[in-house]
Amino acid sequence: DTAVSQTPKYLVTQMGNDKSIKCEQNLGHDTMYWYKQDSKKFLKIMFSYNNKELIINETVPNRFSPKSPDKAHLNLHINSLELGDSAVYFCASSHYDRLGAEAFFGQGTRLTVV
Amino acid sequence: QKEVEQNSGPLSVPEGAIASLNCTYSDRGSQSFFWYRQYSGKSPELIMFIYSNGDKEDGRFTAQLNKASQYVSLLIRDSQPSDSATYLCALNTGGFKTIFGAGTRLFVKA
Repeated sequence: DTAVSQTPKYLVTQMGNDKSIKCEQNLGHDTMYWYKQDSKKFLKIMFSYNNKELIINETVPNRFSPKSPDKAHLNLHINSLELGDSAVYFCASSHYDRLGAEAFFGQGTRLTVV
Repeated sequence: QKEVEQNSGPLSVPEGAIASLNCTYSDRGSQSFFWYRQYSGKSPELIMFIYSNGDKEDGRFTAQLNKASQYVSLLIRDSQPSDSATYLCALNTGGFKTIFGAGTRLFVKA
């Protein structure tokens, strides 16, 4: 029944490792997002996909590579993890609307790089 | 200048009072405005959205928008301890990008 689900919920890993976060939505939305929320709770958009096409890439390091195999899935792969990557990563989805639309968020993935 | 500015708080109000949360933005092309609530350790959830100047009411919540002053606010009437959370102001400049403010922490004291 979960509308936007992302896994894992917690991820603890060492610097230099590569990790992936998966996201799936069952709302029939055509647009999906990745947001990063840092320790100060600032929620910053990273990527936006519409119908599997990358629309927004907000000057995120190349180590971050999103992949959207279909409209219902948007995964995030991170190479060579750094300490500064520690944050909560939220996946979200919405219908496209010219005026903007409500975004439904997943439960978040708390990434800790040690 | 940040695109969306909010006072980080915390804003503390007694139970039953009106909580007033404010937000200013820099992009005059912004078309739609959202208020999200985020409980600690949880994901943001939408409370209200507003597109037109003026007030929009939904239950205990009222959103106010003044595009000329680039100002949007959220009023919570009859505040309850369960309203204690971080409130995120967000705006959309057209389509795919919603930009969030840093949020205001609200504490409602019983």
